[in-house]
Amino acid sequence: ETGVTQTPRHLVMGMTNKKSLKCEQHLGHNAMYWYKQSAKKPLELMFVYSLEERVENNSVPSRFSPECPNSSHLFLHLHTLQPEDSALYLCASSQEIDSSGYEQYFGPGTRLTVT
Amino acid sequence: AQSVAQPEDQVNVAEGNPLTVKCTYSVSGNPYLFWYVQYPNRGLQFLLKYITGDNLVKGSYGFEAEFNKSQTSFHLKKPSALVSDSALYFCAVRDADNTDKLIFGTGTRLQVFP
Repeated sequence: ETGVTQTPRHLVMGMTNKKSLKCEQHLGHNAMYWYKQSAKKPLELMFVYSLEERVENNSVPSRFSPECPNSSHLFLHLHTLQPEDSALYLCASSQEIDSSGYEQYFGPGTRLTVT
Repeated sequence: AQSVAQPEDQVNVAEGNPLTVKCTYSVSGNPYLFWYVQYPNRGLQFLLKYITGDNLVKGSYGFEAEFNKSQTSFHLKKPSALVSDSALYFCAVRDADNTDKLIFGTGTRLQVFP
C-alpha cells in the first residue's frame, strides 16, 4: 500500500445518518484530494486542498462537507446522503497542486453503501 | 477542455504475450500524462508518467509507455504479460499550461489468461 491511509474501509449508512471518512497521508505532501469512483464512470474529482486551504469544489452537493485541519489529514463529513451516493471514495495526496508533473498517491478507499 | 479516452473497456491477452492498453488525450497546451493501476478493493497505484524528454517512459513492474505527440496517444505496453498484471488501468492527463486538474479515463480492464 501507499503512504495514504483511509478509514473506515467499508461503511454502510442510512439516509438520515451522519458519518465521516478520514484520510491521512504520511508522505509530507502539501495537497490532498477527494475522489468518487462509481462503476463504469470516470473518476470524479470532488475537492482539492492545498496547504489546508480548499482550492477546488467540483460542484459537489452540500451533503458532502470536507475538512482539512492540517496538511496530513483530510475528512469528508457525510449527512443525509442518497442511495446514488454509494461508491468508492478515494483520497489522494501529491507534493504540490500547481501545474507540475507531480503524481498523486491514493489511499485504498472507503466503500460506502447508502441504504 | 482537456480529456482522455481509453477506447477499450477490456483487453484480453495470454500470459507471456505482449500487451498494449490504449490511451489518447486532448489538451490545449503541453500534456502531462500518467498511468495508474487499480487492483481489486484497492486504491489507484502510480505506474509511470510523461512530463518531458524521452518519448519512451519506463515504469513499475516492467511497464512502459510511449508518448506520441502527432497521434496524441500514450499507450501502455509490456513485452510479456503476467497473470498478476490483471487489473484495471487508468490513463490520466493534466494540461501543463492551464489547470491543476488531473482528468482520468474510464479505465481498461486487463485480463491475462494462463
